[in-house]
Amino acid sequence: GENVEQHPSTLSVQEGDSAVIKCTYSDSASNYFPWYKQELGKRPQLIIDIRSNVGEKKDQRIAVTLNKTAKHFSLHITETQPEDSAVYFCAAYSGGYQKVTFGTGTKLQVIP
Amino acid sequence: KAGVTQTPRYLIKTRGQQVTLSCSPISGHRSVSWYQQTPGQGLQFLFEYFSETQRNKGNFPGRFSGRQFSNSRSEMNVSTLELGDSALYLCASSLGGLAGGISRNEQFFGPGTRLTVL
Repeated sequence: GENVEQHPSTLSVQEGDSAVIKCTYSDSASNYFPWYKQELGKRPQLIIDIRSNVGEKKDQRIAVTLNKTAKHFSLHITETQPEDSAVYFCAAYSGGYQKVTFGTGTKLQVIP
Repeated sequence: KAGVTQTPRYLIKTRGQQVTLSCSPISGHRSVSWYQQTPGQGLQFLFEYFSETQRNKGNFPGRFSGRQFSNSRSEMNVSTLELGDSALYLCASSLGGLAGGISRNEQFFGPGTRLTVL
């Protein structure tokens, strides 16, 4: 089955700096890659996603890039703010019935 | 539109008991997925239901089961509870199916049910 590895597990950045979280997947047939943000005590929320027919997608300060050849995708957050502090999860969907596999999460801390 | 709701929000059970959790998806969503979240294991996929049929299943023992009703509401049951079943159980809904050949799998999560097994 699919295996998704996420790095780093923790990340501390100064406010205003950029943060990058990377995920690698094993199933070359995976075709949908969402990212979720989970603040402490709250539910995960979809922040951005990308499909396999696209290499990059941006939404204001957030971007996701996909490299199908290397089988990895990354979340980029620019001009980080304290409210970006949360746990971020990547996921990959594969198979005819779109089975999902989540990464293990990255705890991002933005230091004011 | 109302979001995904889960009941109850908190549960305390003892080892050996069984428990049933409920999830009401966003109106119009036909797919419901269940996850177990623990501090050390992140988000673990349990199973997914679409139009009352289990489409996908994670690697959990048979003590974990679920079902989906014709109105897309879903229940998850855990029998013979163990201490290690203590976790936050999240459900998520999506439209499911295809639109223009693209899977409609953007998920929206509920607030979760916090299960404590003593």
